[in-house]
Amino acid sequence: DIQMTQSPSTLSASVGDSVTITCRASQSISSWLAWYQQKPGKAPKLVLYQASTLQTGVPSRFNGRGSGTEFSLTISSLQPDDFATYYCHQYHSYPYTFGQGTNLEVK
Amino acid sequence: QVQLVQSGPEVKKPGASVRVACKASGYTLTGYYMHWMRQAPGQGPEWMGWFNPNSGGANYAQKFKGRATMTSDTSINTAYLELKRLRSADTAIYYCARGRTLWFGETLTYFEYWGQGALVTVSS
Repeated sequence: DIQMTQSPSTLSASVGDSVTITCRASQSISSWLAWYQQKPGKAPKLVLYQASTLQTGVPSRFNGRGSGTEFSLTISSLQPDDFATYYCHQYHSYPYTFGQGTNLEVK
Repeated sequence: QVQLVQSGPEVKKPGASVRVACKASGYTLTGYYMHWMRQAPGQGPEWMGWFNPNSGGANYAQKFKGRATMTSDTSINTAYLELKRLRSADTAIYYCARGRTLWFGETLTYFEYWGQGALVTVSS
């Protein structure tokens, strides 16, 4: 199975800050990576797919980069609605696997 | 608009079985693969498998083979996940999520549409 490792586990930031979350795959997954945002009691919400393609309706302050084994999600000019947990997800091969999550909290 | 509405919370004893329903609206169930994930408290989602509502075929993660069964009732546009021989480690929120169209295939799937989740608690 492909292991997905996210860092950091917790990230403290303020409104207006720019933050970056990283995700590393245990083997190459090309660009078959998605990012999800999850808030307490809710299902994950798709933010980006194919590493860098913004899902319809997601603000352009979300930016994804990477290919192979190293990926990042950058959120610029943080807004109050952005504080949540973020997960990466590889869909290169089965079984699909997710990272353990990054909790983006208010500083 | 596409919606996936899941059944309510369940409390089961170890060794019992549970069936979670996922009713699709806004599209025809038989046109798309359906995937199932679960998420234990404080952890990332865990993929369990995909199901083809048109053929009845399924592909289960190795961890769930023999214990999970995915089915559907196309007359009511509803997919089901049954998990048998429950243990405490199965306590989690179970999600259905729509996959790709059947003509595209079951590969390279990210998840735009998710159900709201169904909490399954396994406790003696």
